[in-house]
Amino acid sequence: EVQLVESGGGLVQPGGSLRLSCAASGFTFSAYWMHWVRQAPGKGLLWVARINHDGRSTSYGDSLKDRFTISRDNAKNTLSLQMNSLRAEDTAVYYCVRSLRPAAMDDWFDPWGQGTPVTVSS
Amino acid sequence: EIVLTQSPATLSLSPGERATLSCRASQSVRTYLAWYQQRPGQAPRLLIYDASNRATGIPARFSGSGSGTDFTLTISSLEPEDFAIYYCQQRTVWPLTFGQGTRLEIK
Repeated sequence: EVQLVESGGGLVQPGGSLRLSCAASGFTFSAYWMHWVRQAPGKGLLWVARINHDGRSTSYGDSLKDRFTISRDNAKNTLSLQMNSLRAEDTAVYYCVRSLRPAAMDDWFDPWGQGTPVTVSS
Repeated sequence: EIVLTQSPATLSLSPGERATLSCRASQSVRTYLAWYQQRPGQAPRLLIYDASNRATGIPARFSGSGSGTDFTLTISSLEPEDFAIYYCQQRTVWPLTFGQGTRLEIK
């Protein structure tokens, strides 16, 4: 069974940092592009970042590149998101998401992890 | 950036009825459009991709159609578990974008 399990969310003060992790299992992790997607409370979905299968290529949503860093460890089947200089508007549930098909760069999102909540507040 | 506009914002129907949800793109996305379902308290799940292909395990009552700028998700006969929020998403142009969602509620 394909599983994506996020961890690392929590309460952080404005300007602080947080590192999210996603443990993948049930598939060949190193073959897939991976993404982070977030959802602010009561709001819609916003794509955050993506990383290619070997970690050499990354992309970010507008205004996030300077604060967020996506990375992966294929030996440990783990995806990460380092978030710095956090703002109140970064408050959201962060989902780890796999691309539908292996080696597909711009692909659909399937499956999704259960999400980890991040709250930025003083 | 491609803007996806979903309508209606809320759709109130009864179990057994047919649901028709719309997604309009600000420019052509060809057939690179997907639909996701999000039940309360759950993560989204992929229903339809490439405008009309059902994802693995998705019941046949869900169907998608359209191309270019106008797309439709149809649920032929609503089951109780179908009452949820539905999002469309495009992957033609970066950044990848989602619609604002349609809430399907029980009438």
